[in-house]
Amino acid sequence: GAVVSQHPSWVICKSGTSVKIECRSLDFQATTMFWYRQFPKQSLMLMATSNEGSKATYEQGVEKDKFLINHASLTLSTLTVTSAHPEDSSFYICSAGPSTDTQYFGPGTRLTVL
Amino acid sequence: AQSVTQLGSHVSVSEGALVLLRCNYSSSVPPYLFWYVQYPNQGLQLLLKYTTGATLVKGINGFEAEFKKSETSFHLTKPSAHMSDAAEYFCAVSDPLGNEKLTFGTGTRLTIIP
Repeated sequence: GAVVSQHPSWVICKSGTSVKIECRSLDFQATTMFWYRQFPKQSLMLMATSNEGSKATYEQGVEKDKFLINHASLTLSTLTVTSAHPEDSSFYICSAGPSTDTQYFGPGTRLTVL
Repeated sequence: AQSVTQLGSHVSVSEGALVLLRCNYSSSVPPYLFWYVQYPNQGLQLLLKYTTGATLVKGINGFEAEFKKSETSFHLTKPSAHMSDAAEYFCAVSDPLGNEKLTFGTGTRLTIIP
C-alpha cells in the first residue's frame, strides 16, 4: 500500500534552534499534504495544509512564521520549527493521499525542545 | 463547519467481548467518515472509511462501522476483542467537496482485559 515517511522519527534540540521535519510520499504524488500536531494523550490538531508550488494554508492560531512549510515537489513537504521553545515539544504527524477520500499518515516525529 | 464527538475517552472490554466505540458527527454536507487506529508512538493507520454506497463498512482486523444518517453516527464495532486491539482510536470526518482536510474526534483509548 501507499506509504508516507517522515524524517527524523525523533529529535531533541536546544531552545532557540530550528528543526526541520521531512514528509515524503513514497509511491504516489501528492499535490497536498497536511501537517498535524498531537499533544500527549490528545487528538490530532491540523496545523496547516501544504500545497505543492504555492504557499501553505495555516489553521487559525498557528503562527506561519514559526512553522515554516515548504512543498517543493510532489513527493516532499518540509516543516521547519523556527526558534523552538519547550512549548513546541510535541508529536508532529504529516499525511498525504492520492485521492480526496484516502489519506496516509506518516509515522510521526517526536520533537523535544530542552 | 464539521465536528466529531467520540463518547468515552477510555473504553475497557474483556478479551473476546464485543467492542463498541461511539462516534457522532456534525456536517452540513454528506460527509466522508473514517476510523483510524494509533499505536503508541506511531502514526495513524486507516481501519475503514465510508464515502458512498453501502452504509455498513468492513475494515481491517475484523472491525466494521455503520453509517446512520438519521442518527449522525458512525460507531465502530468488533465482535470479539483481541489483546492486540489495545490502542487509541480516532474517528474523523471530511467534506467530499473540500480539500481532503480531516477533522478528528478526541480519540478513545481501548484497553483489553485478559
